[in-house]
Amino acid sequence: DQQVKQNSPSLSVQEGRISILNCDYTNSMFDYFLWYKKYPAEGPTFLISISSIKDKNEDGRFTVFLNKSAKHLSLHIVPSQPGDSAVYFCAAGSGTYKYIFGTGTRLKVLA
Amino acid sequence: DAGVIQSPRHEVTEMGQEVTLRCKPISGHDYLFWYRQTMMRGLELLIYFNNNVPIDDSGMPEDRFSAKMPNASFSTLKIQPSEPRDSAVYFCASSLLMNTEAFFGQGTRLTVV
Repeated sequence: DQQVKQNSPSLSVQEGRISILNCDYTNSMFDYFLWYKKYPAEGPTFLISISSIKDKNEDGRFTVFLNKSAKHLSLHIVPSQPGDSAVYFCAAGSGTYKYIFGTGTRLKVLA
Repeated sequence: DAGVIQSPRHEVTEMGQEVTLRCKPISGHDYLFWYRQTMMRGLELLIYFNNNVPIDDSGMPEDRFSAKMPNASFSTLKIQPSEPRDSAVYFCASSLLMNTEAFFGQGTRLTVV
């Protein structure tokens, strides 16, 4: 029973273009969502978050969109850079519920 | 603060042996999490602690797995006996609150042969 799903295991994008990573969840109790980035041989690092009271949060080149009715969130990276090549995990949880991570999407930004 | 520190970085052991993974969380963080990363399941939460007390261990796969947090600055994850299917990268993470971002260690790559 996967409560958080990242259906695209991998994604390739040209440098300078937009990268869109998607995440779906099933538990309506989730009210806080995060994206992490992971480089090989390192631990995941926090990238950006959004709470359910918002539908968009922006931080520089990174924007997370939340569609509560569809139980869907997405991470947009504009413009994509080669250094963005990594595995991206989305996670969902709440103040009283443990975070559940997706299986990750491997992004490759082509120079 | 140096961040979350895990040891060892790599561990190779024979099937049946006991394995102990160690973690030092960020000072002041009240929550500590143990995760396992595999290709098939991504990052699975095994167990988490709040103020050194285990809160949810429902992700621990079997009784062969156990975790302790004797004080605020140290936690262990033990596998006894280890099996080849336990081979994975194990991460420890800590956070201030339940609904804030967690900071991860660099992980321990465990190989059971």
